[in-house]
Amino acid sequence: GAVVSQHPSRVICKSGTSVKIECRSLDFQATTMFWYRQFPKQSLMLMATSNEGSKATYEQGVEKDKFLINHASLTLSTLTVTSAHPEDSSFYICSSGEQETQYFGPGTRLLVL
Amino acid sequence: GENVEQHPSTLSVQEGDSAVIKCTYSDSASNYFPWYKQELGKRPQLIIDIRSNVGEKKDQRIAVTLNKTAKHFSLHITETQPEDSAVYFCAASIGGSYIPTFGRGTSLIVHP
Repeated sequence: GAVVSQHPSRVICKSGTSVKIECRSLDFQATTMFWYRQFPKQSLMLMATSNEGSKATYEQGVEKDKFLINHASLTLSTLTVTSAHPEDSSFYICSSGEQETQYFGPGTRLLVL
Repeated sequence: GENVEQHPSTLSVQEGDSAVIKCTYSDSASNYFPWYKQELGKRPQLIIDIRSNVGEKKDQRIAVTLNKTAKHFSLHITETQPEDSAVYFCAASIGGSYIPTFGRGTSLIVHP
């Protein structure tokens, strides 16, 4: 299947700082990437759809000014958590793929102190 | 929008037994149903999928069945092994949208 990488795998930051997470498609071009958030023992919650060359589409309840998404190339989408707070601590996962089948990145565990 | 219900939330079996996880969906337009396995701290991995023009699909010890009329689909794992222990997610999506709606997950525990 398609390979999706994500960086960093783990980040610890102080409250108030911004954190950037990268999602890359390694062996295919991704016009669309998806960003999810997952709390412990819970399901995947779609945050936004990242579209190459255009604005991201955010799900209801997700603050677009808080979670900035940039999809400047066909292989890279970034999610920036701005002014992070402890409640933003979570597991963030991106996905992409060809046709309906989605492949997930390895995830980024964010801990905000 | 689409709503996917998944049961049970936890399933505990003995090694060698079969395990069945069931999902229902609400949008009759959904036509693609993947299943993902997620081990602790790792990414969800696609293990099997089925499209609405097929009623059943099998891959070694895992199989998925789909009942379009009843809008439900199930994952069957036979001869379970301890390494099958993980959280399994079902999902449904409408072809072309590529956006799956996930179930809440089933934590499968296989006791040696």
